[in-house]
Amino acid sequence: GAGVSQSPRYKVAKRGQDVALRCDPISGHVSLFWYQQALGQGPEFLTYFQNEAQLDKSGLPSDRFFAERPEGSVSTLKIQRTQQEDSAVYLCASSAQGLAGGSEQFFGPGTRLTVL
Amino acid sequence: AQTVTQSQPEMSVQEAETVTLSCTYDTSENNYYLFWYKQPPSRQMILVIRQEAYKQQNATENRFSVNFQKAAKSFSLKISDSQLGDTAMYFCAFMKTGNQGGKLIFGQGTELSVKP
Repeated sequence: GAGVSQSPRYKVAKRGQDVALRCDPISGHVSLFWYQQALGQGPEFLTYFQNEAQLDKSGLPSDRFFAERPEGSVSTLKIQRTQQEDSAVYLCASSAQGLAGGSEQFFGPGTRLTVL
Repeated sequence: AQTVTQSQPEMSVQEAETVTLSCTYDTSENNYYLFWYKQPPSRQMILVIRQEAYKQQNATENRFSVNFQKAAKSFSLKISDSQLGDTAMYFCAFMKTGNQGGKLIFGQGTELSVKP
């Protein structure tokens, strides 16, 4: 079917606003990852879900960042009280397997967040 | 903690020629995976090639091949017969296995320009 999709593609927020970024993984994919990519840098890991369970959130930069995947498919990354340093592209990726196997991660197009 | 280093921020190559992108990494793990991902200007990340650390044979995918030197912790990407469509950011990435595995740790990227 279709690849990983993300919405919105672009989001402009005023400092202090809350934002919600959505990820639709490939149907049936067990694993879902969120990464943050600052301008000119490589992506950095934020959090990982296996089905609906959030197994690793070690990369979330502060308690203003929250992610969920309640039914094991669509995921939402929420950022509360946005700050200028949150400006980045947020990438979502999914893979068919769980942690084992080193399976390929398929990436979405990203959401570019700009905080003014 | 694992780190990935790409020491070439930018490279250029003439169409039809061969270019090699460098990557080194640091880990105390014995079993892991290494990847090269391509991110064209449209920003959707695509897997180029994957190497399993326990396999001595270097991975090859059509015009793309790697030189994996486990002892030296080096993982370079060779692109043969470069094409204009190879113009993109290239990221080297590391994935450990087992607990806390699955997430990708990326290098800073190498911007490759293929010139006609």
